[in-house]
Amino acid sequence: EIVLTQSPGTLSLSPGERATLSCRASQSVSSSYLAWYQQKPGQAPRLLIYGASSRATGIPDRFSGSGSGTDFTLTISRLEPEDFAVYYCQQYGSSQGFTFGPGTKVDIK
Amino acid sequence: EVQLVESGGGLVQPGRSLRLSCAASGFTFDDYAMHWVRQAPGKGLEWVSGISWNSDGIGYADSVKGRFTISRDNAKNSLYLQINSLRAEDTALYYCAKYDSSGYYESGAFDIWGQGTMVTVSS
Repeated sequence: EIVLTQSPGTLSLSPGERATLSCRASQSVSSSYLAWYQQKPGQAPRLLIYGASSRATGIPDRFSGSGSGTDFTLTISRLEPEDFAVYYCQQYGSSQGFTFGPGTKVDIK
Repeated sequence: EVQLVESGGGLVQPGRSLRLSCAASGFTFDDYAMHWVRQAPGKGLEWVSGISWNSDGIGYADSVKGRFTISRDNAKNSLYLQINSLRAEDTALYYCAKYDSSGYYESGAFDIWGQGTMVTVSS
């Protein structure tokens, strides 16, 4: 069973700063199945990145995804006030279906 | 406008059953796989179940296998989740999510989400 670990658990930054979020898998993951989601309080998750590095429709280009194998990264180049939220990575594995990481909370410093 | 609207949640006693529904609009429903994802209060996201566009492919998380049944009615643009033998640990907000592939296990992502329906299991 593939387990996703996200770090850090909480990232405290100021608007305008760069955010780097990590998602590490316990086994190699197909990049085609690696996605990132943003969730704000009281709202449903929103797809940001699919296929490890492709931005979803309407997602600003300050969001970027990279990585392969077991290590993936979501980068927010310059934090806007609306970017403070929880971010989840997600993958699919044939043995256990879809799994989400525990999330990284990006909050205002 | 692409939209998913869940319904059917509520307060239920342990051991009872519930049927959740998800009404889809704004896209060609029978072109896409659909999923249920849940979120316990204050916790992260947990995939529950997925179904391919034509219902030929179905998958469940181990935690719900044998108790939950996913189905869809393409003529009604609707997705369902039958939940039996409810447990306290099933308490969560249940989201309906569109998958951007036709097969539930194909490469893709959950690109559209509903606002969720809350299921609370308590005596």
